[in-house]
Amino acid sequence: DGGITQSPKYLFRKEGQNVTLSCEQNLNHDAMYWYRQDPGQGLRLIYYSQIVNDFQKGDIAEGYSVSREKKESFPLTVTSAQKNPTAFYLCASSGPGQHSVNTEAFFGQGTRLTVV
Amino acid sequence: KQEVTQIPAALSVPEGENLVLNCSFTDSAIYNLQWFRQDPGKGLTSLLLIQSSQREQTSGRLNASLDKSSGRSTLYIAASQPGDSATYLCAVRPWAGNMLTFGGGTRLMVKP
Repeated sequence: DGGITQSPKYLFRKEGQNVTLSCEQNLNHDAMYWYRQDPGQGLRLIYYSQIVNDFQKGDIAEGYSVSREKKESFPLTVTSAQKNPTAFYLCASSGPGQHSVNTEAFFGQGTRLTVV
Repeated sequence: KQEVTQIPAALSVPEGENLVLNCSFTDSAIYNLQWFRQDPGKGLTSLLLIQSSQREQTSGRLNASLDKSSGRSTLYIAASQPGDSATYLCAVRPWAGNMLTFGGGTRLMVKP
């Protein structure tokens, strides 16, 4: 089945530790995104990538880093510089090209990160 | 900067009612608008995608309309069921760039 897979579903981070969230898609989508969702709030964009080996900061990129070495994969690292990382993290992807009919965005099932 | 607002933030209705969820956006230069459903602790499921040239899209009991000039979209749910209980989010994609901007969502509860 085609889709987006996020892992792990739950992740616990100690103070001062870096952790990496995985996001893999087999939809052949060029664009991939990371969003953060806090309780009772909407989604805020952390980073996005429109093509392999290229990515841009979103609205809340501080304390996060990403890489896009393969089309299928867009991992997110939450660094120790992120002071309030406890949140629900969602990865998404969308089809090739801005003017393609296939620009519908699809989401993974999310990773819940908790600082302990 | 694009801003997307969803009203109401929460809604509780008895089963069987027809209901309308609202989404407004400040910049009408959008490429498309997408409605999603999110169940508690889960990811987002795409419901409907409306291109900027379209006025509405339908899927089963769901109908989404788009009035780009006034910066509004509505999601109409017919004959609501308890299984429709979830948070509904709208998101807009601009002409320039691939980013989606989300509204805060409407949390819907359908009571049996």
